[in-house]
Amino acid sequence: DTGVSQNPRHKITKRGQNVTFRCDPISEHNRLYWYRQTLGQGPEFLTYFQNEAQLEKSRLLSDRFSAERPKGSFSTLEIQRTEQGDSAMYLCASSPGGSGTEAFFGQGTRLTVV
Amino acid sequence: KNEVEQSPQNLTAQEGEFITINCSYSVGISALHWLQQHPGGGIVSLFMLSSGKKKHGRLIATINIQEKHSSLHITASHPRDSAVYICVPFGNEKLTFGTGTRLTIIP
Repeated sequence: DTGVSQNPRHKITKRGQNVTFRCDPISEHNRLYWYRQTLGQGPEFLTYFQNEAQLEKSRLLSDRFSAERPKGSFSTLEIQRTEQGDSAMYLCASSPGGSGTEAFFGQGTRLTVV
Repeated sequence: KNEVEQSPQNLTAQEGEFITINCSYSVGISALHWLQQHPGGGIVSLFMLSSGKKKHGRLIATINIQEKHSSLHITASHPRDSAVYICVPFGNEKLTFGTGTRLTIIP
């Protein structure tokens, strides 16, 4: 297992288009997190899953954002009708779950909306 | 008020200096991560600790659960240590990111 994998690494899209990102966590990691990081800022929590259940969703996530983890393995984050303000790095992390367990981070998907 | 505060926010030092980055948090946690993020966004997990002290090479991390405080130390700093360092207290559920400390080591 090579760690948390995110695809694509970079995405440039026109305003108004839909985009979808994928995150493949480390095998058997129950928890999967999505974060967004804009330039010069720390990561902001978006949502997280325990297996296939989406347990929490940030108010930062507008109705244009949706995340799924249908089989409790990989996850997708979709942004509909992208806006320039959506330009950011989208980070995924996974952890085995439970207390005191380490989280592992993907390299992120950098989205640029033009 | 942020749940997690790091200090300093920015730090510039000469190569070889001893570096300390502090993290204070108000949330109840079971563990705390220290992350390193280089320009371009890639994140590396440096430490996960729930008590005491850990050392890896020139990096040392300490945590005091009672005082809700953790520190990251870098000995004999090097320009390649230049990055953003982020503490991430970990409760039972989501990770909470600190504000980050931007470290620049000048040759």
